[in-house]
Amino acid sequence: GIQVEQSPPDLILQEGANSTLRCNFSDSVNNLQWFHQNPWGQLINLFYIPSGTKQNGRLSATTVATERYSLLYISSSQTTDSGVYFCAVTLAGTASKLTFGTGTRLQVTL
Amino acid sequence: SAVISQKPSRDICQRGTSLTIQCQVDSQVTMMFWYRQQPGQSLTLIATANQGSEATYESGFVIDKFPISRPNLTFSTLTVSNMSPEDSSIYLCSVVLAANYGYTFGSGTRLTVV
Repeated sequence: GIQVEQSPPDLILQEGANSTLRCNFSDSVNNLQWFHQNPWGQLINLFYIPSGTKQNGRLSATTVATERYSLLYISSSQTTDSGVYFCAVTLAGTASKLTFGTGTRLQVTL
Repeated sequence: SAVISQKPSRDICQRGTSLTIQCQVDSQVTMMFWYRQQPGQSLTLIATANQGSEATYESGFVIDKFPISRPNLTFSTLTVSNMSPEDSSIYLCSVVLAANYGYTFGSGTRLTVV
């Protein structure tokens, strides 16, 4: 099956810093999403971004489908950004099965 | 986007017992998905639930352990049977509402087996 690797696995930032999270996938995809899992376990959909670039406030994401990677940018980080960030993909040409990456655990400190 | 209600939000259960988790969506959907997240791990798909047919299970998951019901287009249940401490996880249901929005997840059920 498709492999989805995220880096870095862990990240500690001071409040106000910027960061870039990376997601590499091993095959062509027709869906890519970024999620934030908060400390209570709730999974929040940040971006649906199979290709191109999107921005939402302090967050933006870029997917280069031909090179099989996606990036999530967090600017001016806040403590509420803490949690685990997952990218997840659906393999192109298959039924709707979402495969999750390994995750990046982010801690933002004061 | 859809509202997905998942119950219970958390539970502590004795080993050997079963727990049924409910997922209610406020609009009709063709497929509903059930995921498991073990402590410190990523999410893994358990099964896909289609209305009117048996659920399709992923490798490593069996119907006897995780029976699923899908009585209509807005509701599904997942039962975790004969529980052991290894079943302690977060269980989440998910749906796709629109082709350009992606998957939406319920708030999850945090299960602890003692």
